[in-house]
Amino acid sequence: GAGVSQSPSNKVTEKGKDVELRCDPISGHTALYWYRQSLGQGLEFLIYFQGNSAPDKSGLPSDRFSAERTGGSVSTLTIQRTQQEDSAVYLCASSLEGSAWRRTTDTQYFGPGTRLTVL
Amino acid sequence: KQEVTQIPAALSVPEGENLVLNCSFTDSAIYNLQWFRQDPGKGLTSLLLIQSSQREQTSGRLNASLDKSSGRSTLYIAASQPGDSATYLCAVRGDSNYQLIWGAGTKLIIKP
Repeated sequence: GAGVSQSPSNKVTEKGKDVELRCDPISGHTALYWYRQSLGQGLEFLIYFQGNSAPDKSGLPSDRFSAERTGGSVSTLTIQRTQQEDSAVYLCASSLEGSAWRRTTDTQYFGPGTRLTVL
Repeated sequence: KQEVTQIPAALSVPEGENLVLNCSFTDSAIYNLQWFRQDPGKGLTSLLLIQSSQREQTSGRLNASLDKSSGRSTLYIAASQPGDSATYLCAVRGDSNYQLIWGAGTKLIIKP
């Protein structure tokens, strides 16, 4: 079956512009995660969705970052007024949920990422 | 605050050798630990997931162990091949949240 897909694969934008990054999870996966991988900083968690709600937004670095998920499927990560420090690879992952409200016992499957470059 | 450390940062060995990658974490209250590989320019591929109640998991030539009380996990790769060359990352999931906390990775090069 299809894996996690992300678009665009690469995005170059000018400082101050808004960008939208899209993630299509594996069909049937109720949990969706966004991570960011920056040079020299490794991977960091951004936000977690269970269905359309986001119980954990603690990793979003500033109020310029927001994310939504509709229909329990596609998610969009929006960065407003981009800054050069936002340049990174943004990774999306999905997994099955093992219970109604917390935790997954299952593996997180990752998409190929979107490489964002802010000039 | 959970911190994950991977040693060594880089490793280069001849093909055919058995090798061990190390991962340590500071907070033993984990739900699970995952090992991933990342190939250049590509996403992450999950290799093994160990639940906190488990001691080890095996998949083919890979074996991952977990000692939660000491905050350590090892990834053992048997009979290494050039195709094993990649960056290997470990990540732990806390007992009370959904986040994966990541190590910085070990860059592995297997020389033919």
